Amino acid sequence: EPEVTQTPSHQVTQMGQEVILRCVPISNHLYFYWYRQILGQKVEFLVSFYNNEISEKSEIFDDQFSVERPDGSNFTLKIRSTKLEDSAMYFCASRDGPGPLHFGNGTRLTVT
Amino acid sequence: GENVEQHPSTLSVQEGDSAVIKCTYSDSASNYFPWYKQELGKGPQLIIDIRSNVGEKKDQRIAVTLNKTAKHFSLHITETQPEDSAVYFCAASLATSGTYKYIFGTGTRLKVLA
Repeated sequence: EPEVTQTPSHQVTQMGQEVILRCVPISNHLYFYWYRQILGQKVEFLVSFYNNEISEKSEIFDDQFSVERPDGSNFTLKIRSTKLEDSAMYFCASRDGPGPLHFGNGTRLTVT
Repeated sequence: GENVEQHPSTLSVQEGDSAVIKCTYSDSASNYFPWYKQELGKGPQLIIDIRSNVGEKKDQRIAVTLNKTAKHFSLHITETQPEDSAVYFCAASLATSGTYKYIFGTGTRLKVLA
């Protein structure tokens, strides 16, 4: 069964550094998402992306965040200057049409 | 905006018993309600979903019910097994510009005791 893949599984970075989290959505999907989950808390929406542009973003998704689909397969989340509170699991998800989201296994980001 | 409440936050049941998790949503425009299971170290995995034109859906030991008037929906797991132990999240789908942003509940940690 096709799946969403994310790399790396764990990323450790120092405060103020830039990080790029990578995702390969399911190949025929058109809608792409990033969510985050702070340890033990609920899954929170960050941003949705369709037709090469952001469809919607949450209050969390401020100017430090950006997303890109650099080619036909990858979907990336960049955090320009990481803060301690950015430490969380980041999940990429994709879907085709009005169906369910398919999530990757996440990238654990630790900011020290 | 949409808000999804989920209860209980933790639930322990004996193996073979049933488990029920309940969610309420605030936006009457929501029309799609998936349930996800999250095992340790993994992403959420869809287990069942229901659309607003249906009141109940069943898939083997798992069922979901929806009360649109009350804006409630529930997950029912029968004959629970130890491998059902996980965190379960409900979600409500809000169609915004066709992108269907999902709002998740706060999660229920289910423990099935052998």
